[in-house]
Amino acid sequence: DAKTTQPNSMESNEEEPVHLPCNHSTISGTDYIHWYRQLPSQGPEYVIHGLTSNVNNRMASLAIAEDRKSSTLILHRATLRDAAVYYCILRNSGYSTLTFGKGTMLLVSP
Amino acid sequence: SQTIHQWPATLVQPVGSPLSLECTVEGTSNPNLYWYRQAAGRGLQLLFYSVGIGQISSEVPQNLSASRPQDRQFILSSKKLLLSDSGFYLCAWSNDRGGTYGYTFGSGTRLTVV
Repeated sequence: DAKTTQPNSMESNEEEPVHLPCNHSTISGTDYIHWYRQLPSQGPEYVIHGLTSNVNNRMASLAIAEDRKSSTLILHRATLRDAAVYYCILRNSGYSTLTFGKGTMLLVSP
Repeated sequence: SQTIHQWPATLVQPVGSPLSLECTVEGTSNPNLYWYRQAAGRGLQLLFYSVGIGQISSEVPQNLSASRPQDRQFILSSKKLLLSDSGFYLCAWSNDRGGTYGYTFGSGTRLTVV
């Protein structure tokens, strides 16, 4: 799978929007962009995924650049419970497993 | 709805003892099953995956083995634990073989080898 690059950490204040960036300049046309998060002492949790168009669900929004070389996970109003490590992962539409990188540690302050 | 069960939640085992961690999935059939490990302060590493009964693929050579005796049961084992086997073990399942669906993870087993 192609590689992704994320900042090591980001900080936010509670109830403010958070934009978590991910660069994937070598993405192929059949790579899906997946986001997971891992809260402390828990297993990873699926957040959202997309291919070309922007996606919204109850947890977050995913904005995908037109050239697909970058994407942004948007948390519309951060809460203390959103403090976690966020992983951006590319998965090919053919068979592929989920490979985790280091992710971005999101710190949320009250 | 689909659920994934993993037990035990915590485990303390002496070096050289055997290990058996079990994971079961309910509410789906023929899932893809995965075992991951997260050592302290490190990232998630895929250990094994299975696309069907009796079919196991190993990602990393190590002191562990996996088996899938039933469609929705995945077992992680070791004959003799090492100190380096300590970590957070996570089971996961997915319904697809590509990128169109996500993985669902269990709550994990925290293993400490002493």
